[in-house]
Amino acid sequence: GQQVMQIPQYQHVQEGEDFTTYCNSSTTLSNIQWYKQRPGGHPVFLIQLVKSGEVKKQKRLTFQFGEAKKNSSLHITATQTTDVGTYFCAGKGNYQLIWGAGTKLIIKP
Amino acid sequence: EAQVTQNPRYLITVTGKKLTVTCSQNMNHEYMSWYRQDPGLGLRQIYYSMNVEVTDKGDVPEGYKVSRKEKRNFPLILESPSPNQTSLYFCASSFTGGAYSNQPQHFGDGTRLSIL
Repeated sequence: GQQVMQIPQYQHVQEGEDFTTYCNSSTTLSNIQWYKQRPGGHPVFLIQLVKSGEVKKQKRLTFQFGEAKKNSSLHITATQTTDVGTYFCAGKGNYQLIWGAGTKLIIKP
Repeated sequence: EAQVTQNPRYLITVTGKKLTVTCSQNMNHEYMSWYRQDPGLGLRQIYYSMNVEVTDKGDVPEGYKVSRKEKRNFPLILESPSPNQTSLYFCASSFTGGAYSNQPQHFGDGTRLSIL
C-alpha cells in the first residue's frame, strides 16, 4: 500500500541551530500537509503544499514539495524553545491522508 | 468557538468491559476520523466517515466500531477492549475528505485509554 516515510525519528539540536525533517512517499501525492504536535497536545495544521516544486515560508519555517510530488521537507531556521514538539507530514494519496511517523524536535539544555 | 470535543480525556478500565469514546464537532464538517497514536508509529487511522451514515475502515479497524447517525457526532466503540488497545486516541474532522479534498483536519484534545 501507499506509505510515507518520515526521517529522522528524533532530532536533538541546540537552541539556535537549524532543524530539518523529510518525508518520502512510495507514490505520487496530490498534496501534502504538515502538522505540529506540542508535548501533551494534539496535532495542529501548519500548511498545505499542492503544486510541484512549491516552496512556502512561515517566518522561520520553510516547507518544500518535490518536483515529482513524492517528497517534502520542513526546515526550521534558528530553532527556539517554542519549536519543541513532533512534526508530522501527511500526504494525500488516492483516497485518504497517509501519515508519516513524525519527527520529534528536542532542544538540548 | 470552533472545536472538536472528545470525552473522556482519560480512562483506565479492564479487559472486556465495553466502552465508548465520544467525539463531537461544531463546525458542520462532513468528514470525521479516528486515529490512534503509539510511540514511534505516528498516527494510524482506525475508521473514518465521509458523511452521515457513511463509514469506512482505516488502517487498523480491528476491535473497534463506529457510527455516524448525526453530522456532529462520531463515537468510537470498543466492544471488548484488550490491553493492546491501550493508546492515545484522537478524533479529527474536516469540511470534506477523501480523494478530492484538500481540507486540513482539526483534532480533538485526545483520549488516553489504559486497558488493564
